[in-house]
Amino acid sequence: AQSVTQLDSQVPVFEEAPVELRCNYSSSVSVYLFWYVQYPNQGLQLLLKYLSGSTLVKGINGFEAEFNKSQTSFHLRKPSVHISDTAEYFCAVSADSWGKLQFGAGTQVVVTP
Amino acid sequence: EPEVTQTPSHQVTQMGQEVILRCVPISNHLYFYWYRQILGQKVEFLVSFYNNEISEKSEIFDDQFSVERPDGSNFTLKIRSTKLEDSAMYFCASSEARQYSNYGYTFGSGTRLTVV
Repeated sequence: AQSVTQLDSQVPVFEEAPVELRCNYSSSVSVYLFWYVQYPNQGLQLLLKYLSGSTLVKGINGFEAEFNKSQTSFHLRKPSVHISDTAEYFCAVSADSWGKLQFGAGTQVVVTP
Repeated sequence: EPEVTQTPSHQVTQMGQEVILRCVPISNHLYFYWYRQILGQKVEFLVSFYNNEISEKSEIFDDQFSVERPDGSNFTLKIRSTKLEDSAMYFCASSEARQYSNYGYTFGSGTRLTVV
């Protein structure tokens, strides 16, 4: 079984500042890792994914994440946030690249001017 | 870009009634899923469906719930005898089910179910 821990429930950040959202996972097997974003009153949109290969993954909207197997982490970063990045961000893990996703509790990012 | 379509976007139902939530997955996808997100909580897996049968379900997915792919395009979630605690956003998703694929796991925009 897999589990995901998102260490911060809310992250306030100023516009144009960098942001890092932390995600740690546990699993007895190899995993695939994902970050999803949920804007207010909307569905889940895939930001980026790690399936294999390079541990530094680039996604949409300027986000990137680094898979660290030894630390079982998959932290999400953006060097300069915009007001429009205000949303909830979910880290998720799967034992298959197509299988069920186990989500973390989410991190609410609030970007202020 | 292909989308997963869910209808309705919002459903209000009386406690004890049955509801059917509908989803149209992406046409070449083979795996279908339902997830639930109670307000303010994490997204939870309910069930996965492959080759016209349930492939995996969570402990949440008890006899109150059922899924069906009635006509080759729709994928439905039926909730019988709804309870107040069934109020949540329900997400449908579909995926290509290919190892190391380009990852076609796509979520719909959700149906907000309110049980009153």
